[in-house]
Amino acid sequence: KAGVTQTPRYLIKTRGQQVTLSCSPISGHRSVSWYQQTPGQGLQFLFEYFSETQRNKGNFPGRFSGRQFSNSRSEMNVSTLELGDSALYLCASRQGQSYNSPLHFGNGTRLTVT
Amino acid sequence: SQKIEQNSEALNIQEGKTATLTCNYTNYSPAYLQWYRQDPGRGPVFLLLIRENEKEKRKERLKVTFDTTLKQSLFHITASQPADSATYLCALGSGGYQKVTFGTGTKLQVIP
Repeated sequence: KAGVTQTPRYLIKTRGQQVTLSCSPISGHRSVSWYQQTPGQGLQFLFEYFSETQRNKGNFPGRFSGRQFSNSRSEMNVSTLELGDSALYLCASRQGQSYNSPLHFGNGTRLTVT
Repeated sequence: SQKIEQNSEALNIQEGKTATLTCNYTNYSPAYLQWYRQDPGRGPVFLLLIRENEKEKRKERLKVTFDTTLKQSLFHITASQPADSATYLCALGSGGYQKVTFGTGTKLQVIP
């Protein structure tokens, strides 16, 4: 089975721009979560989608949004980019939402905002 | 507010020794705790899960303990090898539809 695929791998944007990141989960996985990872804050939860519905949301401003499609693929959008948005954005999928289902992560999209 | 703390930023140990990593949490009643390994430039990889009613879990050279009274989990790697060098993250969840929250991680360096 193919793992979680995130595209693009690297991205450089300037302040004020917007960006869309993509995540393809493992086949059969219906839950997709997004995390932001920075050296100072570690992994911060952004949101989780299950069957196209947002189930949970972290404490991020409304500039961060996401969606999930019927094939479970997910996209994350950040509008009006700020320098502080520079981070590694990780997507993770799991088969269900039971605690017995561990998270399977992609290798992330490295976003640099200049 | 909920807080998950992992011991020190880096832990250096000699090859062959047992590495012990700590995960402490406050203002949280987790249903389970997970441990992940993350290598530079890669996403975290799941290692072990332990439920709130379990005291200990083992997998090959790995052992995890979970003490809900102390609000602490210990992660042990026995007979450590340089290939075990990585950052180890603990993660907690409350079950059901609750999100999985991660600690900041401990960087382990196994010296040959």
